[in-house]
Amino acid sequence: IAGITQAPTSQILAAGRRMTLRCTQDMRHNAMYWYRQDLGLGLRLIHYSNTAGTTGKGEVPDGYSVSRANTDDFPLTLASAVPSQTSVYFCASRQRSTGEQFFGPGTRLTVL
Amino acid sequence: GENVEQHPSTLSVQEGDSAVIKCTYSDSASNYFPWYKQELGKRPQLIIDIRSNVGEKKDQRIAVTLNKTAKHFSLHITETQPEDSAVYFCAASGNTDKLIFGTGTRLQVFP
Repeated sequence: IAGITQAPTSQILAAGRRMTLRCTQDMRHNAMYWYRQDLGLGLRLIHYSNTAGTTGKGEVPDGYSVSRANTDDFPLTLASAVPSQTSVYFCASRQRSTGEQFFGPGTRLTVL
Repeated sequence: GENVEQHPSTLSVQEGDSAVIKCTYSDSASNYFPWYKQELGKRPQLIIDIRSNVGEKKDQRIAVTLNKTAKHFSLHITETQPEDSAVYFCAASGNTDKLIFGTGTRLQVFP
């Protein structure tokens, strides 16, 4: 793995189904983030984690949950998907020394 | 909490002209201001950033200026090229290290 990866690349999901988006980084960054990107609304923070074992809520956390069992992985779970969660989801990690956030390639999720 | 406003939402320029994108922020405690470029279908990537102890930073054809008193910062691209066409996002963060993004500017550079 080089950098930060996400899976799946895209997914079509029926409303009411449970879905977990995966995110893995190999840069040993402590801080990780989940954003959703919607046209005209930019990138909005869903949840974040400053270090393994801790998580926090962002701007739009409702309907989503996260866990951070170790430094590398930061999965995002939709317990019961709704059509308004149709979006592109980006995971990111932050390099402490510079503050730069590195983004994964994104997951395009469609909830029908 | 922090709020970041970005203007314009779209910008069209002729190749070789300059482009300027402006952002304002609300939280006076913000101290880190990055700019990201996102090409179609790709992930956002950092192109330049500035911290609150600096008023201007330049990297080849791109520059960022910061006015802490007015709480606004701007991205300047000179001698634009077609490959500069993309969506640009400004962002701001403070002591929480969480980035709040602007809503983006779609820049189109016409040959």
